[in-house]
Amino acid sequence: QVQLVESGGGVVQPGGSLRLPCAASGFIFSNYDMQWVRQAPGKGLEWVALIRYDGSNGYYADSVKGRFTISRDNSKNTLYLQMNSLRPEDTAVYYCARDLCGRTSCYTRVFDMWGQGTMVTVSS
Amino acid sequence: QTVVTQEASFSVSPGGTVTLTCGLSSGSVSTTNYPSWYQQTPGQAPRTLIYNTNTRSSGVPDRFSGSIFGNKAALTITGAQAEDESHYYCVLYMGSGVSLFGGGTKLTVL
Repeated sequence: QVQLVESGGGVVQPGGSLRLPCAASGFIFSNYDMQWVRQAPGKGLEWVALIRYDGSNGYYADSVKGRFTISRDNSKNTLYLQMNSLRPEDTAVYYCARDLCGRTSCYTRVFDMWGQGTMVTVSS
Repeated sequence: QTVVTQEASFSVSPGGTVTLTCGLSSGSVSTTNYPSWYQQTPGQAPRTLIYNTNTRSSGVPDRFSGSIFGNKAALTITGAQAEDESHYYCVLYMGSGVSLFGGGTKLTVL
């Protein structure tokens, strides 16, 4: 069964840190670029970060640059989002998503499949 | 700072046709932005509808189609059904790994 499962969400104080794992199954994880997208309560979707299939490069939205780090462990089929210096405006559901771009071809960019999301609340 | 623009809301009658658009605050949308479209109902993860401008994702009904219309990307629903009432988001790829979401369109079918 092809799926992505996020975990690690919870309540954290402003200035705190949290790491979100996303476990992938049912496909060759190391062949695909992976992304994180978030959605604040009652708001729209916001792209957060992208990592290449081999972990060689990460790209970030301006709103999280310098505070968040995207990484992956292809041996464990797991994507991560390390979130530091958290702010109340980082409160959101965080989704991981697979991109069709990857090792074998890169002719487009798309959030091809999605996890169910994990909620992060930044509050004192 | 570049912003991706979408209509805030739209309504369509059952069986009718509606076209939602996705533009840029500066410049025109092209195929090299790899426009994609997503449907989201409250409390659910997004569902991928269209990618690479006009390719339907697996399992998506053919009443959904994508195109470039003038200087914008467009999502057309032909023969709208009640279950199409949802939020629709477009995404444009801006290069250097960066993607931008539009603010989303709330579609009402009535």
